[in-house]
Amino acid sequence: ENVLTQSPGTLSLSPGERATLSCRASQSVSSSYLAWYQQKPGQAPRLLIYGASSRATGIPDRFSGSGSGTDFTLTISRLEPEDFAVYYCQQYGSSPYTFGQGTKLEIK
Amino acid sequence: QVQLVESGGGLVKPGGSLRLSCAASGFIFSDYYMSWIRQAPGKGLEYISYISSSSSHTNYADSVKGRFTMSRDNAKNALYLQMNSLRVEDTAVYYCARGSHPHVDWGQGTLVTVSS
Repeated sequence: ENVLTQSPGTLSLSPGERATLSCRASQSVSSSYLAWYQQKPGQAPRLLIYGASSRATGIPDRFSGSGSGTDFTLTISRLEPEDFAVYYCQQYGSSPYTFGQGTKLEIK
Repeated sequence: QVQLVESGGGLVKPGGSLRLSCAASGFIFSDYYMSWIRQAPGKGLEYISYISSSSSHTNYADSVKGRFTMSRDNAKNALYLQMNSLRVEDTAVYYCARGSHPHVDWGQGTLVTVSS
């Protein structure tokens, strides 16, 4: 099983700042099959990024993904109030399709 | 717009069974792989299973293999998850999702509680 480890566990930032979230895999993620999801309290997750760097439909361009192999990053260039949420990475290159444990992005 | 509505959750005793349903609309259901993902209270996301568009292929996480069965009815635009031999650790919100590589759209989830 490909274990994904997200860091930091909690990130405290202010609106307008830049956020950098990390996802490290225990094995190489084939074909960069890495996705990022955002989840707000009481809501279902929403797909942000797939294929490590492609934005899903309707996702603002302040969200960007990068990385390959075992190290991936989600960057939010300038935080908006609605961006404070929990973010999960997921690899879907090899079964089982594992998720990271999540990074909580909170308002400082 | 894409809509996914789960139903069938509730309280069940350990060892019991439950069948979840997911009603899909707003897209050509028979064109898409579908998935189930769950989230235990206050915890992270756990992939459960996916099914191919024609039902020819299914895939399950080890934690549910042999106990859960995923199926679909393309004529009814419906997805199902038959859950048998339920355990306390199966307590979670269960989400259905469009797509498996990755999960593009998600329903709002249905809560399954396994407790004596």
